[in-house]
Amino acid sequence: AQSVTQLGSHVSVSEGALVLLRCNYSSSVPPYLFWYVQYPNQGLQLLLKYTTGATLVKGINGFEAEFKKSETSFHLTKPSAHMSDAAEYFCAVRAHGSSNTGKLIFGQGTTLQVKP
Amino acid sequence: ETGVTQSPTHLIKTRGQQVTLRCSSQSGHNTVSWYQQALGQGPQFIFQYYREEENGRGNFPPRFSGLQFPNYSSELNVNALELDDSALYLCASSLYGVDYGYTFGSGTRLTVV
Repeated sequence: AQSVTQLGSHVSVSEGALVLLRCNYSSSVPPYLFWYVQYPNQGLQLLLKYTTGATLVKGINGFEAEFKKSETSFHLTKPSAHMSDAAEYFCAVRAHGSSNTGKLIFGQGTTLQVKP
Repeated sequence: ETGVTQSPTHLIKTRGQQVTLRCSSQSGHNTVSWYQQALGQGPQFIFQYYREEENGRGNFPPRFSGLQFPNYSSELNVNALELDDSALYLCASSLYGVDYGYTFGSGTRLTVV
């Protein structure tokens, strides 16, 4: 079974500061890992995903995440926050080679606030 | 390439009523999954449809049902609405066998009063 824990339901940073959103997962098989962003009253937009290969994954809008198997983590970072980054961020996991049920397991989400 | 479109965008229903939500999948995708996102929560998997059949289901009661059509579009039906069914319902399309290529729609906001 898979699960996701996002540490910190709210994160506040100043514009230009480093963004770090934490995600730890549990999976008995190699996982696929995802970060999605959700703006108010909108659906989910994929920021980046890890499937196989390189453990440092670069996504859109300057975000990146590193898959650390030993720590079961997939933290999301961005060197310099922009006001437009303020949104809800979700980490999600899916198992490799499962029955193709399309089931993504999401964390509870982290609200990112960016202060001017 | 068209994305995933959902309709309607907002809906208000009375407790006990039935509702149908619609989803058109992204071009080239043949699988549709539905998720329920309660306020302040992460999305929860309801079920997936492939080849017009349900082939995976989350922890939702039978009053949540669905359909998939030959053009891969899908409907989510909820009977006997309860107040706790108030949520954002998200549809995601993908290509069967590709475990990481999900595209989400903007969702339908359902309010049950």
